[in-house]
Amino acid sequence: ETGVTQTPRHLVMGMTNKKSLKCEQHLGHNAMYWYKQSAKKPLELMFVYNFKEQTENNSVPSRFSPECPNSSHLFLHLHTLQPEDSALYLCASSQGLAATTDTQYFGPGTRLTVL
Amino acid sequence: DQQVKQNSPSLSVQEGRISILNCDYTNSMFDYFLWYKKYPAEGPTFLISISSIKDKNEDGRFTVFLNKSAKHLSLHIVPSQPGDSAVYFCAASYYGGATNKLIFGTGTLLAVQP
Repeated sequence: ETGVTQTPRHLVMGMTNKKSLKCEQHLGHNAMYWYKQSAKKPLELMFVYNFKEQTENNSVPSRFSPECPNSSHLFLHLHTLQPEDSALYLCASSQGLAATTDTQYFGPGTRLTVL
Repeated sequence: DQQVKQNSPSLSVQEGRISILNCDYTNSMFDYFLWYKKYPAEGPTFLISISSIKDKNEDGRFTVFLNKSAKHLSLHIVPSQPGDSAVYFCAASYYGGATNKLIFGTGTLLAVQP
């Protein structure tokens, strides 16, 4: 595998379910990100991790719980979601946190539908 | 309120002609601007960027222009090719807290007709 991979690619869940999204980067990067893209809305940054430590939580509801066990893996645990949480969830990674030198590389995303 | 706006949801251009994608921003604190390209079922990929101290950056067929006074940037693709058909996202960056955040626009779908 190369680049940034995400599993599953598609997920349908009920509001009472618990599920997890997985992201893995094979680029040797130190920073990882979760973004959300709802229909007709821009990508919104949710969380940032650098060297496994969370450096940014963009006022995300607690029903989204991130986990970063190491610099290569990032999870997003989901529980008691709402239908409006249906969106494309994108993971990204970068070498560091400087926008001018540390390009963010994105995975293909997980298309989440909450029924 | 959206800080980065791409007011054209779609654009259709003939192969070989110039494609011009536009982006406006409201936050004067932004100091770095990027364009990403996204094909269906793939993640966005970085295309080209420009620092706020410059007004133009060129990379092959792609040129980004920045007009700070108008808070406007544009991406020019010339000549356009069918493989350029994709969604193009404009993004802006400023240093906020411990992270350089990217603020994205909603994207413009470019269709290059053969």
